Amino acid sequence: LPVLTQPPSASALLGASIKLTCTLSSEHSTYTIEWYQQRPGRSPQYIMIVKSDGSHYKGDGIPDRFMGSSSGADRYLTISNLQSDDEAEYYCGESHTIDGQVGYVFGTGTKVTVL
Amino acid sequence: QVQLRESGPGLVKPSETLSLTCTVSGGSTSSSSSFWVWIRQPPGKGLEWVGSIYYTGSTYYNPSLKNHVTMSVDTSRNQFSLKLSSVTAADTAAYFCARRAGDSSALWAFDIWGQGTMVTVSS
Repeated sequence: LPVLTQPPSASALLGASIKLTCTLSSEHSTYTIEWYQQRPGRSPQYIMIVKSDGSHYKGDGIPDRFMGSSSGADRYLTISNLQSDDEAEYYCGESHTIDGQVGYVFGTGTKVTVL
Repeated sequence: QVQLRESGPGLVKPSETLSLTCTVSGGSTSSSSSFWVWIRQPPGKGLEWVGSIYYTGSTYYNPSLKNHVTMSVDTSRNQFSLKLSSVTAADTAAYFCARRAGDSSALWAFDIWGQGTMVTVSS
């Protein structure tokens, strides 16, 4: 099964930028991923899709401060002008087909702290 | 605006069957551009995809749960359901229903989520 690796935590100052990384397993290095934000006690919210060529497509209402990019097997979510409201868990996820069966896997998540 | 709402018992005994329903409002479970999904999250842990169902009834399950999960869709009631048999404490989690929607560019995402419902497996 594919594996998505995320660092468990990241932090940055209020108003600064932060870059989150999601690393795909080598056999899935060209796959498209999605980013989700989960604030404490809330259900996850879709942020954006990031493709292997670096193009990204945001969900409705996602601010311009959120940007996606890609390099090799790494997919990034960069948040600029960090706000206290951005303090949350961020998950990447990938859809795949194995032996004709559609499946989905999430990364382990990165907890973002705004200092 | 599409909204999803989970319903079902908050407490299930070990070895019994967990049953949840997700009611869709503002949209249709008959949509050809959507899959209907269950995702769970054990307390303090990450997200786990449980399975997806299409309006035709085609299902896709997490291989780790395949032997004891069943999903169904009732388009007349605009609902879809999850059954998890022979539950153990490891199935204790918040269960979210969600819509996986796609567009003409084949870009798919879980764009709408329910608020989630906590299910505890305990005697």
